Amino acid sequence: RKEVEQDPGPFNVPEGATVAFNCTYSNSASQSFFWYRQDCRKEPKLLMSVYSSGNEDGRFTAQLNRASQYISLLIRDSKLSDSATYLCVVRSGNTGKLIFGQGTTLQVKP
Amino acid sequence: EAQVTQNPRYLITVTGKKLTVTCSQNMNHEYMSWYRQDPGLGLRQIYYSMNVEVTDKGDVPEGYKVSRKEKRNFPLILESPSPNQTSLYFCASSWSAGGETQYFGPGTRLLVL
Repeated sequence: RKEVEQDPGPFNVPEGATVAFNCTYSNSASQSFFWYRQDCRKEPKLLMSVYSSGNEDGRFTAQLNRASQYISLLIRDSKLSDSATYLCVVRSGNTGKLIFGQGTTLQVKP
Repeated sequence: EAQVTQNPRYLITVTGKKLTVTCSQNMNHEYMSWYRQDPGLGLRQIYYSMNVEVTDKGDVPEGYKVSRKEKRNFPLILESPSPNQTSLYFCASSWSAGGETQYFGPGTRLLVL
């Protein structure tokens, strides 16, 4: 079993739709959680960190469920520019090791 | 401008010919890391460094070496490249491993024949 798992998609949604991605992790000692965005083989860029209490940044909401060991990302009012691959990232225990999920591809269509 | 630079950006080489991919950051970050990205496998960490002279293995360290003699530089060395090391490589840096934004370099596309 992979340490971080995501549904690769693709998710095809119309503009304005709400879409949610989930990510599960297997190491209960994981400390830090992030969502990164990657456009077509370019470098990944941080979208948001994920905090235990959940956090929101504009149209994006991230949630962490430690008991069930999953992280979610909700995108409201999808824009064409949201089309990208979204990477779930988990810091393994208290080490410097970062584990990336395979990524979930989102395609927003007019 | 705060950035992570990698060189070369593109490289075609032959099996067994030693190569080095350089990585440099100008943000005084303590943490640096190398990843490879392959279709269907996502980004996998090769090595990381928490600080100068401190390096640790990631998930896929076999066939690679790194060094961290200075804070700003973290070169990736392939002593004897093989075709299965054909990949897209990213270097990244951050203040620390946890809770901080990682800044990625633009990537190095390597083809080993």
